[in-house]
Amino acid sequence: AQSVAQPEDQVNVAEGNPLTVKCTYSVSGNPYLFWYVQYPNRGLQFLLKYITGDNLVKGSYGFEAEFNKSQTSFHLKKPSALVSDSALYFCAVRDYNAGGTSYGKLTFGQGTILTVHP
Amino acid sequence: SAVISQKPSRDICQRGTSLTIQCQVDSQVTMMFWYRQQPGQSLTLIATANQGSEATYESGFVIDKFPISRPNLTFSTLTVSNMSPEDSSIYLCSVDFRVSSYNEQFFGPGTRLTVL
Repeated sequence: AQSVAQPEDQVNVAEGNPLTVKCTYSVSGNPYLFWYVQYPNRGLQFLLKYITGDNLVKGSYGFEAEFNKSQTSFHLKKPSALVSDSALYFCAVRDYNAGGTSYGKLTFGQGTILTVHP
Repeated sequence: SAVISQKPSRDICQRGTSLTIQCQVDSQVTMMFWYRQQPGQSLTLIATANQGSEATYESGFVIDKFPISRPNLTFSTLTVSNMSPEDSSIYLCSVDFRVSSYNEQFFGPGTRLTVL
């Protein structure tokens, strides 16, 4: 069974400082990793994904994430945080096969509330 | 990408009643999913709905409580039956959509349900 862990319920950073939101995963096959963001009273928005290739993935709004296979981690990062980045962040994983046509279940972590202080 | 809409966006319902949530996609998709997000919690998959077949339910979810229809490749409904306050959640529709060489999941805006 696949699983995702986000060890921090909350992350607090000052505006302008770098931020990291942690995620570790467990999956039997090849991992297909995602980060989503949820703003209050809004749906889930896709930030970035890792499938294969370069371990450093760049996504929307200046976010990036680094895939580390040996540590089974996929931490979300941003060099300089903005107050508007304050939201709930979810890491998710699914299996995929070599053809990219996996219909494996998408499993979410428990979420991390990011608060950026002015 | 796929654009997904849900109706209603929110509702307040009485205990014992039922609510049907609609999900409309702007493209034909094979796989559609329904998730529940309870207050302060993560997303939990309720069921997977393929067009032309019965929905597949995850452990802890049953068809009598959450009947799903999938009449065509762009539409699905989820009904929350005989509601109780514990059903108060955000319900999200999601679709699997081919982007480049891989499938990705796109999410609707969600339906916020409050049961009194």
